[in-house]
Amino acid sequence: SQQGEEDPQALSIQEGENATMNCSYKTSINNLQWYRQNSGRGLVHLILIRSNEREKHSGRLRVTLDTSKKSSSLLITASRAADTASYFCAPTPYNQGGKLIFGQGTELSVKP
Amino acid sequence: ETGVTQSPTHLIKTRGQQVTLRCSSQSGHNTVSWYQQALGQGPQFIFQYYREEENGRGNFPPRFSGLQFPNYSSELNVNALELDDSALYLCASSPGLRGQYNEQFFGPGTRLTVL
Repeated sequence: SQQGEEDPQALSIQEGENATMNCSYKTSINNLQWYRQNSGRGLVHLILIRSNEREKHSGRLRVTLDTSKKSSSLLITASRAADTASYFCAPTPYNQGGKLIFGQGTELSVKP
Repeated sequence: ETGVTQSPTHLIKTRGQQVTLRCSSQSGHNTVSWYQQALGQGPQFIFQYYREEENGRGNFPPRFSGLQFPNYSSELNVNALELDDSALYLCASSPGLRGQYNEQFFGPGTRLTVL
């Protein structure tokens, strides 16, 4: 499968702690995207990292990409209760017309 | 809010019936993709439309069909509904040439229940 596989499947932390989610994939990619989903609603794009980038920041988010290991990680610093959601990585393969291939996601619970 | 709208929000159908779901893409976006998300799973790619033509299809049977209009809005049609078709159906639009490699903007989804 070309899909991203997130690890862990579920993560529970206290407010203020950092949350780290990992993603592995199997094919060459053009970029890798992270999305967030609240309670079965639509997905919200968080960050896109291109295959020639190694690290990217956006606010409290930090994403790394290691194409040699075909893996990525998403770090949320100083988490808040409002960060409670499911997080999905979507590696975008070459020659696939930009379709996103999602794994099962990581369900993050941030307790106040 | 992404500017992508979907209708209806919820829908209940019975086995064997047909359903049409609608999506209005964000202004300026010419590419629309449809995804099916079963409970507890990640979204699965159904197909993508670029300027009214199908531009890639996932592993879904032919009873899943689509359409994109000149204003880039889109429809997803499912015939002969099965119980396993119960899911959240997500529409996503993106800008650029064939929407390749761009972030996608998702609508809130349509929750379909097949009884």
